[in-house]
Amino acid sequence: KAGVTQTPRYLIKTRGQQVTLSCSPISGHRSVSWYQQTPGQGLQFLFEYFSETQRNKGNFPGRFSGRQFSNSRSEMNVSTLELGDSALYLCASSEMGNTEAFFGQGTRLTVV
Amino acid sequence: GENVEQHPSTLSVQEGDSAVIKCTYSDSASNYFPWYKQELGKRPQLIIDIRSNVGEKKDQRIAVTLNKTAKHFSLHITETQPEDSAVYFCAAMDPRTYKYIFGTGTRLKVLA
Repeated sequence: KAGVTQTPRYLIKTRGQQVTLSCSPISGHRSVSWYQQTPGQGLQFLFEYFSETQRNKGNFPGRFSGRQFSNSRSEMNVSTLELGDSALYLCASSEMGNTEAFFGQGTRLTVV
Repeated sequence: GENVEQHPSTLSVQEGDSAVIKCTYSDSASNYFPWYKQELGKRPQLIIDIRSNVGEKKDQRIAVTLNKTAKHFSLHITETQPEDSAVYFCAAMDPRTYKYIFGTGTRLKVLA
């Protein structure tokens, strides 16, 4: 079974731009969660999707948004990028959201 | 709000010794507690997990204990090896929100 796949692996963007990150979950997994990982803040929960519905959202500004498609693939969008958005963005998939979650390799976003 | 405290932040042990990492969670509704290992530049990988109806779980050299009353759970690694060196994260999941709250991580160094 293929693992969780995130694309792209690396991104460099300029302040003010927007970015879209993609996550393909393990086949059969319907829950996808997104996390921001920074050295100082650890893993911070962004949002969780299940069957195309956002079930929960973390404490991030509205510039961070996401969606999930009918095939469970998910995208995350960050608009009006700020320097502080530089981080590793990880997604994780699980069957139902309350079972084992498996992480992708992440997208490292650098905002300059 | 929900919070997971993890200690220590760094831990150095001699090869062959045991390592213990402790976490405390705040939300009594949490019922699923996974542990992840993250090697440098790699994705977090699930190494063991425990649900709230179980007090202890063991998998070879790794064990997790849970004290629901005190809202504590701990990771125990016995006979440590250099390849155990990594950052370890604990997490607690609220079944009402499918939201994982992660601890801030423990950097474990196993000295040969």
